[in-house]
Amino acid sequence: GAGVSQSPSNKVTEKGKDVELRCDPISGHTALYWYRQRLGQGLEFLIYFQGNSAPDKSGLPSDRFSAERTGESVSTLTIQRTQQEDSAVYLCASSLGGRVAGYNEQFFGPGTRLTVL
Amino acid sequence: EDKVVQSPLSLVVHEGDTVTLNCSYEVTNFRSLLWYKQEKKAPTFLFMLTSSGIEKKSGRLSSILDKKELFSILNITATQTGDSAVYLCAPLTLTQGGSEKLVFGKGTKLTVNP
Repeated sequence: GAGVSQSPSNKVTEKGKDVELRCDPISGHTALYWYRQRLGQGLEFLIYFQGNSAPDKSGLPSDRFSAERTGESVSTLTIQRTQQEDSAVYLCASSLGGRVAGYNEQFFGPGTRLTVL
Repeated sequence: EDKVVQSPLSLVVHEGDTVTLNCSYEVTNFRSLLWYKQEKKAPTFLFMLTSSGIEKKSGRLSSILDKKELFSILNITATQTGDSAVYLCAPLTLTQGGSEKLVFGKGTKLTVNP
């Protein structure tokens, strides 16, 4: 497809289990972002990948959260030992990127709704 | 710490009404301000504002930025039920690492009744 895709669309897990969320960005987009949106809240930045540069992990809430991206393609967000407060919609976005003046619009995927019981 | 405050948090109007949504921000290394519309999960882009005082317009929607007062508004005229959504304001900032990051407000939930 032409847009950002994410899988799974919904994930229910038990407290303490690990989960892995996947994001397929738009082809050709070098920048990829992960956000978290808790119920009734705005989007919270988690991590940013730009090409082969070191990712900006400044938004990751704890060391239970990690993300990887292979080149300029798929990214996975892993949450280890999930807690109930991790329940949220996890949104991925991609853009043409580039650390130059000006901005490239971020296109969002449909998100993964994570529920930790 | 970066801060974005949107008001009102929730708004209920009738079709045909005009609404004004507000966004105030305090962020470091401000680059521009974006508005998004979120109906289900994925936010969709509405506007990017970089310069003060220049109104951007798209159909019944318009937006303007005041970089001195750190404020932006989004106007919707002749509202329709399809405008019902959460409207998100997001200043774009530059991190110390040189990456661009959006800082989102909590949003304004607009409900347009027929």
